[in-house]
Amino acid sequence: EADIYQTPRYLVIGTGKKITLECSQTMGHDKMYWYQQDPGMELHLIHYSYGVNSTEKGDLSSESTVSRIRTEHFPLTLESARPSHTSQYLCASSEYRGSGLGTDTQYFGPGTRLTVL
Amino acid sequence: LAKTTQPISMDSYEGQEVNITCSHNNIATNDYITWYQQFPSQGPRFIIQGYKTKVTNEVASLFIPADRKSSTLSLPRVSLSDTAVYYCLVYSGGYNKLIFGAGTRLAVHP
Repeated sequence: EADIYQTPRYLVIGTGKKITLECSQTMGHDKMYWYQQDPGMELHLIHYSYGVNSTEKGDLSSESTVSRIRTEHFPLTLESARPSHTSQYLCASSEYRGSGLGTDTQYFGPGTRLTVL
Repeated sequence: LAKTTQPISMDSYEGQEVNITCSHNNIATNDYITWYQQFPSQGPRFIIQGYKTKVTNEVASLFIPADRKSSTLSLPRVSLSDTAVYYCLVYSGGYNKLIFGAGTRLAVHP
């Protein structure tokens, strides 16, 4: 079973506040991801990282930023939260399986449900 | 970019076999087919992955025809705890191409 953690699980915050969503994994995976998912809707990739000091934007534009200073840690920051940022944020990590052995299996954390008032 | 099409929802009863078919007409040579399961308020969980023919693990089977334009996830003897959303993904590891889609909502009834 994969070990990937997200904190907080739930967050209710006022408009304009700066927030950081934490994500940590203990598997030593190089690759990490952030997804955004509204209730009953699709998951959208918003950020990913190949390893330390590597960050890329995903297919959904997001006002959030990420950093990857340590392999196990991939925090997501919103400088000024707005009601439009209300959503569930899911963190995942994966390990490359090797050429011809299939694509990466992603392990997901439990998610952070963010509500901005 | 391979796009997938799945039924929006399915209903079944405990003990039945459930087959969920995913269409991916534009699948590329290097793409693998991967299925995930998601329960409410949780992150998706990997179920099974395959490239061609048939793959089976302790949870499910995945059937892929020779043309690979579709795939079928088979869940044997479902129980109430199999009620979840099931996602079909087709990709080769290019991260900007990861699209989960809307998935199939499976409801298992007593």
